[in-house]
Amino acid sequence: DGGITQSPKYLFRKEGQNVTLSCEQNLNHDAMYWYRQDPGQGLRLIYYSQIVNDFQKGDIAEGYSVSREKKESFPLTVTSAQKNPTAFYLCASSLPTGNQPQHFGDGTRLSIL
Amino acid sequence: GQNIDQPTEMTATEGAIVQINCTYQTSGFNGLFWYQQHAGEAPTFLSYNVLDGLEEKGRFSSFLSRSKGYSYLLLKELQMKDSASYLCAVRDLVGGFKTIFGAGTRLFVKA
Repeated sequence: DGGITQSPKYLFRKEGQNVTLSCEQNLNHDAMYWYRQDPGQGLRLIYYSQIVNDFQKGDIAEGYSVSREKKESFPLTVTSAQKNPTAFYLCASSLPTGNQPQHFGDGTRLSIL
Repeated sequence: GQNIDQPTEMTATEGAIVQINCTYQTSGFNGLFWYQQHAGEAPTFLSYNVLDGLEEKGRFSSFLSRSKGYSYLLLKELQMKDSASYLCAVRDLVGGFKTIFGAGTRLFVKA
């Protein structure tokens, strides 16, 4: 079955540490996205990529970095510069045309130790 | 600017009908999506509207009025499993086809 897989499901970060969240999809989608979800707030876009080897900052990119070396993979690194990283992180993918919905992974919940 | 408003919470009774409203302000409207999200899980796609009118899909229907910047999601014959958050999301041409999500409406279905 095609789908989008995020790992790990839960992640703990120590102060000053960088951590990387994995996102893999086998839907053959060109576009991939990373969102952050905090309680009582909508999904906020961190980074997105419309094609391999290209990505753009979203609304809250500071303290995060991404790469898109393969179509299937879009890992997100939460750097030590992100001072409030505790949140639920969702990865999504879609076909590039406007009427196509985004397909989401099951999310990674990141907490600070 | 871009803004999406939805009620924070709603409560309805099993078997009833509930309407969840969404109002939006965008510079370059290019479609509206509704997603369902159970607590701690991934959002799943429910419906898409780009033209005015009603789209029906089983127990779920979605309506759009572009002139009013307004949409609603209608859930019929409510079931307990419909207890979830419902996210309204608007695709905006300005800024590179980004999708802007509302904060979601938490629906509680009671017996």
